[in-house]
Amino acid sequence: GAVVSQHPSRVICKSGTSVKIECRSLDFQATTMFWYRQFPKQSLMLMATSNEGSKATYEQGVEKDKFLINHASLTLSTLTVTSAHPEDSSFYICSARGAGQVAGYTFGSGTRLTVV
Amino acid sequence: DQQVKQNSPSLSVQEGRISILNCDYTNSMFDYFLWYKKYPAEGPTFLISISSIKDKNEDGRFTVFLNKSAKHLSLHIVPSQPGDSAVYFCAASAPGAGSYQLTFGKGTKLSVIP
Repeated sequence: GAVVSQHPSRVICKSGTSVKIECRSLDFQATTMFWYRQFPKQSLMLMATSNEGSKATYEQGVEKDKFLINHASLTLSTLTVTSAHPEDSSFYICSARGAGQVAGYTFGSGTRLTVV
Repeated sequence: DQQVKQNSPSLSVQEGRISILNCDYTNSMFDYFLWYKKYPAEGPTFLISISSIKDKNEDGRFTVFLNKSAKHLSLHIVPSQPGDSAVYFCAASAPGAGSYQLTFGKGTKLSVIP
């Protein structure tokens, strides 16, 4: 079945630094990748949608200059949290959809970001 | 405004009994519904889905029912097992723009008691 690998699973960084999270589709080409953020006891909130080779579409309220998304190839998307602050601490999850895949996207295992 | 609502944040069920998780939605454009299971510190795992042209879909112990007129769907797990203990998210998608974005509910934490 489709597998999405997300790294790192856990990261602790100092306030003001940048953190890059990678999301790779291992056995299929991901035409679309989604980035979600989940706060404790809250739903998965879509941050942005990215299509390979084009700029990401950000949801309202998500700062595109702070959360840089790159989808340079059909198997790799990255989310960079720039100048991280403690309030950016959250669980970030990517999901990927391949061509012809209607729904039931494949999710990565998530990244727990803690900014101290 | 939350378009997908899971009004029960938690549910406890005895092992072997039926678990029923409910989900309501407000957007009549939604035409595909999915249930995901999530363990702590892991990404969601797809469980089962249903298209709006159906009212029931069954896969092993899991059955999803859709009542379009009531904008309500439910996930039945029979019989419930301790390994089913997790957070269950209901999600919905609407056609358009080819993006197939998912809108998630807040989740229901299911605890199956041995």
